[in-house]
Amino acid sequence: EAGVAQSPRYKIIEKRQSVAFWCNPISGHATLYWYQQILGQGPKLLIQFQNNGVVDDSQLPKDRFSAERLKGVDSTLKIQPAKLEDSAVYLCASSSDYRYEQYFGPGTRLTVT
Amino acid sequence: GNSVTQMEGPVTLSEEAFLTINCTYTATGYPSLFWYVQYPGEGLQLLLKATKADDKGSNKGFEATYRKETTSFHLEKGSVQVSDSAVYFCALRRAGGSYIPTFGRGTSLIVHP
Repeated sequence: EAGVAQSPRYKIIEKRQSVAFWCNPISGHATLYWYQQILGQGPKLLIQFQNNGVVDDSQLPKDRFSAERLKGVDSTLKIQPAKLEDSAVYLCASSSDYRYEQYFGPGTRLTVT
Repeated sequence: GNSVTQMEGPVTLSEEAFLTINCTYTATGYPSLFWYVQYPGEGLQLLLKATKADDKGSNKGFEATYRKETTSFHLEKGSVQVSDSAVYFCALRRAGGSYIPTFGRGTSLIVHP
């Protein structure tokens, strides 16, 4: 069974630029999560989707971050404009249902200069 | 609110040494407790879990016991290998309501031959 796929794996941008990350969850998984992992800290949930609907986006900085999950499968997370403090690893995870184990992708490491 | 506190790393051990990584938590009710492992360049993987007091989770030689009286879930392994070198995250999921995990900061383990 293929795991959670993410791209790109690494991205370097200048502040005020925009960037987008892509996630393909495990086939059939209804729940998809985006986490932000700042160096030296545990992952922090940004947004949770159930199919193509948003369940929880209370910690998403909506003035600059946006996310969508069209057709309830792939998802895209966008930052516009980026700030230096957005430098982090962005993790995507999926689960068959919100009650069950989450499977994580390898992450996208973002560096904002 | 919910929180997880882990011992700071890195923890540096020689192969075949005994490992303990301390984890304590603060939560209302009776959370489920987890240990995740993140190998270099990979996403988080669930290592073990315990869902109620006195439960012991175990996997790949690692063990952790849910201690309600001390609000702890320490990770142990009797004999570590070089391949165990990774970052270990303790996490909890609150009973009822949101099933989003709260992660600790992570503890880096380095095992030398």
